[in-house]
Amino acid sequence: EDKVVQSPLSLVVHEGDTVTLNCSYEVTNFRSLLWYKQEKKAPTFLFMLTSSGIEKKSGRLSSILDKKELFSILNITATQTGDSAVYLCAVAPPDNNDMRFGAGTRLTVKP
Amino acid sequence: SQTIHQWPATLVQPVGSPLSLECTVEGTSNPNLYWYRQAAGRGLQLLFYSVGIGQISSEVPQNLSASRPQDRQFILSSKKLLLSDSGFYLCAWSMDSHNEQFFGPGTRLTVL
Repeated sequence: EDKVVQSPLSLVVHEGDTVTLNCSYEVTNFRSLLWYKQEKKAPTFLFMLTSSGIEKKSGRLSSILDKKELFSILNITATQTGDSAVYLCAVAPPDNNDMRFGAGTRLTVKP
Repeated sequence: SQTIHQWPATLVQPVGSPLSLECTVEGTSNPNLYWYRQAAGRGLQLLFYSVGIGQISSEVPQNLSASRPQDRQFILSSKKLLLSDSGFYLCAWSMDSHNEQFFGPGTRLTVL
């Protein structure tokens, strides 16, 4: 059975800290791994990773994929209270129609 | 730019009542459309997806159904709701099967 496991389940940090969120997966057909940020309602898209070892970066957020060890990390540097959210990892098969989501990591950034 | 709408935002329904949730997308044509359910503290579970008008694929057997009567409209229905149908329902769209999905604001359904 396909599995997507995120860790930690929750994390509390202070503003300015750097955090690393983890996503490991076991799937039969892999094409890409996606990260989303969910604040109160709709998850918003952050990154889609298809190749190992190539870092994707957007401001203070960055992510990288390791297809040999079957995991990805999402880094957030100089965290701000606005980064507080649930971060979701999803793994997509070749046609992307059946994405498997992890349970998410709830990040709380305290002032 | 593309936008996705869902309504209602919240809904409280008694067990055994029918359900109809609507999702529409603007600013694109022939999108792939998806319905997900998110139970409290859990990840998103794909319920249905559609790659075109009248084409529905079901991922999870249940008492829910989906329809796509128009290119940019996706409807989630039930004839008789169960307590276990409570949850947060999200609609999403993508340009095709190889790109990221974009989510609507969601409908929080409580079945009493």
